[in-house]
Amino acid sequence: GAVVSQHPSWVICKSGTSVKIECRSLDFQATTMFWYRQFPKQSLMLMATSNEGSKATYEQGVEKDKFLINHASLTLSTLTVTSAHPEDSSFYICSAGTGGYSAVYEQYFGPGTRLTVT
Amino acid sequence: KQEVTQIPAALSVPEGENLVLNCSFTDSAIYNLQWFRQDPGKGLTSLLLIQSSQREQTSGRLNASLDKSSGRSTLYIAASQPGDSATYLCAVGVSGAGSYQLTFGKGTKLSVIP
Repeated sequence: GAVVSQHPSWVICKSGTSVKIECRSLDFQATTMFWYRQFPKQSLMLMATSNEGSKATYEQGVEKDKFLINHASLTLSTLTVTSAHPEDSSFYICSAGTGGYSAVYEQYFGPGTRLTVT
Repeated sequence: KQEVTQIPAALSVPEGENLVLNCSFTDSAIYNLQWFRQDPGKGLTSLLLIQSSQREQTSGRLNASLDKSSGRSTLYIAASQPGDSATYLCAVGVSGAGSYQLTFGKGTKLSVIP
């Protein structure tokens, strides 16, 4: 149980184009989903937190107009990188959260999406 | 701001050895702490989750301890195997103001030599 998928697993796009990454919780409903970015040999950095049906909360330094997040259902969140540039090339990982503050709260992570912008 | 540090950054051991990975965090007001495994180019696999009220968790050959007051956690791996080779990430969970966040360390890259 608690499986999270991401699609695509890797994508190459040209500079200036937009790319959409999907994150799905396959066997549970996720009230909250998180998007992370990981540069080579670096740790995961939280980009934004999204709750189903509401606007995402972005971390400081993350441009909300560049990284569009939509969490339209309890099983799907999407991250769209708009007008991508080579410096946006990175490994993007999503996670889906379960439970609440009175219970065990855990994030289940997707397998990641490797984005390369040429 | 919570900061998580993992030492060592890399570790190489012969097969069969027991080993300890270290994680320290600056703010002891945590909700939980998780250890993950990440294989090259892959996502994260959760290994152990310790709630702030717990001292340790065990799963098979893995044992994680938590000393919240000193801001430290250790991951003990017994009888290491080549298949244990991966990067191990420590993440501290903090809740508050309607949000929940994980702050990650940079990881320890483990190589187990056959």
